[in-house]
Amino acid sequence: EVQLVESGGVVVQPGGSLRLSCAASGFTFDDYAMHWVRQAPGKGLEWVSLISWDGGSTYYADSVKGRFTISRDNSKNSLYLQMNSLRAEDTALYYCAKDGTATGYSSGGPPLDYWGQGTLVTVSS
Amino acid sequence: EIVLTQSPATLSLSPGERATLSCRASQSVSSYLAWYQQKPGQAPRLLIYDASNRATGIPARFSGSGSGTDFTLTISSLEPEDFAVYYCQQRSNWPPKYTFGQGTKLEIK
Repeated sequence: EVQLVESGGVVVQPGGSLRLSCAASGFTFDDYAMHWVRQAPGKGLEWVSLISWDGGSTYYADSVKGRFTISRDNSKNSLYLQMNSLRAEDTALYYCAKDGTATGYSSGGPPLDYWGQGTLVTVSS
Repeated sequence: EIVLTQSPATLSLSPGERATLSCRASQSVSSYLAWYQQKPGQAPRLLIYDASNRATGIPARFSGSGSGTDFTLTISSLEPEDFAVYYCQQRSNWPPKYTFGQGTKLEIK
């Protein structure tokens, strides 16, 4: 059974930093690309970032580019999101999600096919 | 940037009825369109990918159609557990960026 468990969400002040983690199990982690997606309270889904199976390729939404860094440790079956220069508008539930392909940009194939339950990040003074 | 517009914002139907949800893209996304279901307090669940392929374990009452800019998610006969929010999602070719629609809330009439 695929399991994704996020952690690291806390209350942080504007301008602060935070590192989210996602522990994966139930599948061959280094065969698949991974994503972070966020959802502000009462709002819709916003894609944040994508990393390829080997960590060699990373992509970001314009809203977080230059402030957030996605990474992975395949030896630990773990995905990370380093969040710097946090703003109030970054307040959201952050989900990690598995892609159905190795790169996240293959022609066809299931995109975000499994999701964790999310970890809440609140940016407030 | 491709924008996805879902309609209606809210759909009120009764169990057993047929639901038709629409997703329109601001430019062609070929067939790279997926649908997700999200229930309150839960993570989204992938229903349909590549416009018309059901994800693993998804019941046959869910079907997707369309290509280019106009896509439809159809639920043939609503079950009580189908009342939820539905999102469409696309991926741009290069660089890969993912976009979600604003969601359609399917509520019990």
